[in-house]
Amino acid sequence: AQKITQTQPGMFVQEKEAVTLDCTYDTSDPSYGLFWYKQPSSGEMIFLIYQGSYDQQNATEGRYSLNFQKARKSANLVISASQLGDSAMYFCAMRVPGSARQLTFGSGTQLTVLP
Amino acid sequence: NAGVTQTPKFQVLKTGQSMTLQCAQDMNHNSMYWYRQDPGMGLRLIYYSASEGTTDKGEVPNGYNVSRLNKREFSLRLESAAPSQTSVYFCASRPDRGLAGVHEQYFGPGTRLTVT
Repeated sequence: AQKITQTQPGMFVQEKEAVTLDCTYDTSDPSYGLFWYKQPSSGEMIFLIYQGSYDQQNATEGRYSLNFQKARKSANLVISASQLGDSAMYFCAMRVPGSARQLTFGSGTQLTVLP
Repeated sequence: NAGVTQTPKFQVLKTGQSMTLQCAQDMNHNSMYWYRQDPGMGLRLIYYSASEGTTDKGEVPNGYNVSRLNKREFSLRLESAAPSQTSVYFCASRPDRGLAGVHEQYFGPGTRLTVT
């Protein structure tokens, strides 16, 4: 069975500083994908970044980067130069192969950016 | 493109009542999903549909039924609502071939359901 663990229920960061949100995963399948989604207080789920298990480079998307450490089974999200609008719940998710390619989500980390 | 739309946005039911949550996508995606989100637990998969005419159970299917009416629409039905089904429900769809093989899921805005 696949499992995603996010051990930080809440995090605080000063505006303009960088922050790392932790995510560890467990799967026996060699082929998988890791996702990060942002959920602001309005409730929608916004896709941020993706890392494939065979990707050699860490994924980056603007101010978001994914620190992928395959041997440690971790996929931490790094947000650089935090902005007030980054305050939201962040979910790590994993997709494994199969007909459905459904996602398994972690419990989320509530990030608050302080002015 | 409206993306993934869900109706209603909010609903209050009494225990034992039934209702159907509607979901539609205009992105020509084959795969569609229903998740529920409870506090402190992230999203959990209720049912999914890999293509028109097929549906399968996810992690928490008890108390729910689904219908993949056509390629665009995937509805979730609560036949006899229970307080344990109080949750936020998200519909999502996924392309068969996304950019650079990402295949990310696109989510609707959610339906907040309260069962009293």
